[in-house]
Amino acid sequence: AQTVTQSQPEMSVQEAETVTLSCTYDTSESNYYLFWYKQPPSRQMILVIRQEAYKQQNATENRFSVNFQKAAKSFSLKISDSQLGDTAMYFCAFIGTHHYGGGSNYKLTFGKGTLLTVNP
Amino acid sequence: KAGVTQTPRYLIKTRGQQVTLSCSPISGHRSVSWYQQTPGQGLQFLFEYFSETQRNKGNFPGRFSGRQFSNSRSEMNVSTLELGDSALYLCASSLGGTVTDTQYFGPGTRLTVL
Repeated sequence: AQTVTQSQPEMSVQEAETVTLSCTYDTSESNYYLFWYKQPPSRQMILVIRQEAYKQQNATENRFSVNFQKAAKSFSLKISDSQLGDTAMYFCAFIGTHHYGGGSNYKLTFGKGTLLTVNP
Repeated sequence: KAGVTQTPRYLIKTRGQQVTLSCSPISGHRSVSWYQQTPGQGLQFLFEYFSETQRNKGNFPGRFSGRQFSNSRSEMNVSTLELGDSALYLCASSLGGTVTDTQYFGPGTRLTVL
């Protein structure tokens, strides 16, 4: 079974600074997808960034980038030039490509989340 | 294009009752997944539907069930509610229901069981 671990329950950063959120995962699969989702307070969960395991190049999306270390099973999120609107719970998530018992395993496995607060 | 919508947004029920939650996916999306979010357990997968068929199920008791209609809209039902069922229930839709498809989430239904 896959597991996703986010070791930082809470973090804070000053506006305009850079912050890195950690995520590690465990899987026996060789191909899979990793995601960072953001859930602002009382608001909808939205996709921040996505990484395909077979791609060595780290994904980037504007101020958001990842450091994907496949051998170490690490997938950290870097937020540059932090903004007040980045305050949210951030979830790391995994989805595998292996089909178990002939069926689909199409489900996201989430970490417990990191609450990021951006201070003015 | 409209996003994933969920109704109702808030529900208060008492133990023993049953509840039905609804999810309308993004137009053109055929896969709908349901997740339960609680402070203690985090986000846990309930089940996934594609073309009106349940393809995948998480580790939840049989009191939790769902279905999907021909227009891809999905409903989730919880019977004989327990206090521990209080949670935010999220649904997510994706285009083809494959691992290469990103799941897009709705705003959730917050269920409180008294």
